[in-house]
Amino acid sequence: QAGLTQPPSVSKGLRQTATISCTGNRDNVGNQGAAWLQQRQGHPPRLLAYRDNNRPSGSSERFSASRSGNTASLTITGLQSEDEANYYCSAWDSNLSAWVFGGGTKLTVL
Amino acid sequence: EVQLVESGGGLVQPGGSLRLSCEASGFTFSSFGMNWVRQAPGKGLEWISHISGSGSPIFYADSVRGRFTISRDNAKNSLYLQMSSLRAEDTAVYYCVRGVVDYWGQGALVNVSS
Repeated sequence: QAGLTQPPSVSKGLRQTATISCTGNRDNVGNQGAAWLQQRQGHPPRLLAYRDNNRPSGSSERFSASRSGNTASLTITGLQSEDEANYYCSAWDSNLSAWVFGGGTKLTVL
Repeated sequence: EVQLVESGGGLVQPGGSLRLSCEASGFTFSSFGMNWVRQAPGKGLEWISHISGSGSPIFYADSVRGRFTISRDNAKNSLYLQMSSLRAEDTAVYYCVRGVVDYWGQGALVNVSS
């Protein structure tokens, strides 16, 4: 199954803002939006936002998601060292009847 | 509090079989579709199967279709993954994941090696 496209890495300084993109097509991101997951080293993924910018309880307001057409974006403001992690986007693909994931973006906080 | 606890991982020889279980708590299990997602060492996330709350429909990734079988027992709040004809490339941490990928278990390591 084809996946979503994310940049492999993003680097930003402490307290800066980072944005990670996720490109799919009209059957997945363009249809129902994307979910964004954070995975710290040695831990399972945890949901940050879903269907564009719905945040589960416990997810910081520093994380916000948006979508334009078939591309979703995750913006992290006020970067902290604890934000260093891999970030994945995911969406249900109505044509494939499958969840598709991006390859992941490694965020480095300088 | 939503909890998903996987069990049944381990070392298995190529061509062998293994059954993973996931015990769910903290929510009405039968109301949610469930997924298995795996992550090979040092790699990204790969969705492998979904089952609806009632048990049908069921979907599989091409990489496991015909070899893996997902099932659930709503009376026991449990999700299962029966894996057969295992290959080295099936080596991964297998996560039990609720519905719209909102809750994840801690994962179970499956190592396929001779």
